Amino acid sequence: AQKITQTQPGMFVQEKEAVTLDCTYDTSDQSYGLFWYKQPSSGEMIFLIYQGSYDEQNATEGRYSLNFQKARKSANLVISASQLGDSAMYFCAMRGTTGANNLFFGTGTRLTVIP
Amino acid sequence: EAGVTQSPTHLIKTRGQQATLRCSPISGHTSVYWYQQALGLGLQFLLWYDEGEERNRGNFPPRFSGRQFPNYSSELNVNALELEDSALYLCASSPDGASNQPQHFGDGTRLSIL
Repeated sequence: AQKITQTQPGMFVQEKEAVTLDCTYDTSDQSYGLFWYKQPSSGEMIFLIYQGSYDEQNATEGRYSLNFQKARKSANLVISASQLGDSAMYFCAMRGTTGANNLFFGTGTRLTVIP
Repeated sequence: EAGVTQSPTHLIKTRGQQATLRCSPISGHTSVYWYQQALGLGLQFLLWYDEGEERNRGNFPPRFSGRQFPNYSSELNVNALELEDSALYLCASSPDGASNQPQHFGDGTRLSIL
């Protein structure tokens, strides 16, 4: 079974600084996908970035990058040049077993950007 | 391009009643997913529909059911509502059943059981 662990319930970062949100996972599948989502206080889930298990390069999307370390089973999200609008809950998620397709979510990290 | 739309935004019911939540996927998306986000329990997978059929189901009782219509919109039905069903229900869609596609979420329906 898939499992996602986010060990940081809350994080603070100074505006314009970079921050790393941790995510470790466990799966017996050889092929899998990892996703990061942002959930502002309004409730919607916003897709940020995707990393496939066979991707050789770390994924990047604008200010978001994913530090993927397959041997350590970690997929940390790095946000560069933090902005006040980055304050939100951040969820790491993994695609389910082949054919199942549902996402397994971690418990989330609440990021607060300090002016 | 319109995103995933869910209705209603809020729904208030009492114990024992039935609730119907609706979801319209992004145009061209055939897969629809339902998740429950209850306080303290995180996001839990409920149901996955693709091409009109139920493809997978999470660990929820049978009183949680749904369907997908020919236009790929979907509805989630919850019968015999219980207090612990109070949660944010999120619908997501993806272009097809390929599992490397990101799921795009709607704003959710907040269901409150009195």
